[in-house]
Amino acid sequence: AQSVTQLGSHVSVSEGALVLLRCNYSSSVPPYLFWYVQYPNQGLQLLLKYTSAATLVKGINGFEAEFKKSETSFHLTKPSAHMSDAAEYFCAVSEGSSASKIIFGSGTRLSIRP
Amino acid sequence: SAVISQKPSRDICQRGTSLTIQCQVDSQVTMMFWYRQQPGQSLTLIATANQGSEATYESGFVIDKFPISRPNLTFSTLTVSNMSPEDSSIYLCSVALPNTEAFFGQGTRLTVV
Repeated sequence: AQSVTQLGSHVSVSEGALVLLRCNYSSSVPPYLFWYVQYPNQGLQLLLKYTSAATLVKGINGFEAEFKKSETSFHLTKPSAHMSDAAEYFCAVSEGSSASKIIFGSGTRLSIRP
Repeated sequence: SAVISQKPSRDICQRGTSLTIQCQVDSQVTMMFWYRQQPGQSLTLIATANQGSEATYESGFVIDKFPISRPNLTFSTLTVSNMSPEDSSIYLCSVALPNTEAFFGQGTRLTVV
């Protein structure tokens, strides 16, 4: 069975600083991996996805993530944080098919300091 | 892509009652998924709804508490039965199309009093 672990339930960075949100996965088959963002009282929005093509995936709003099989990681980064990036971020995995059920990590709340 | 409509968007219910949530998709999909998001928590998969067969429930969720119907390839319902305050959550419907992303409804915000 697949699972994801997000390290750090809360991350706080200064505006303009690097954003790094950590995600490690476990899957018995090649995974599909996702990062979703949820703004307060809003629905889920897909930031980016890895589906076995390029290991460096670029998403919306300047975010990107790198799939590292050797480390079973899929960390999310953004070079320069903006106040509007404050939200809850979820890493998720599905088992080798984008049409499979998706299992979510526990989430990381990102705060941005002025 | 897929557009998902969930009804109701929110409801306040008395404990001991049941609420049925509807999920309508604008295209035919093989599998639909129901998630729960408790306050301040992540999304937890309740079950996978397959057309023409019984839903497949995840550990910790049972059919008597969360009966699911899937009468056709574009529609599903989730019922939250015999509700208690602990059932207060956002319930989300999701579909996944081959070779693309998963799509989520806006959710049903349930408060049990």
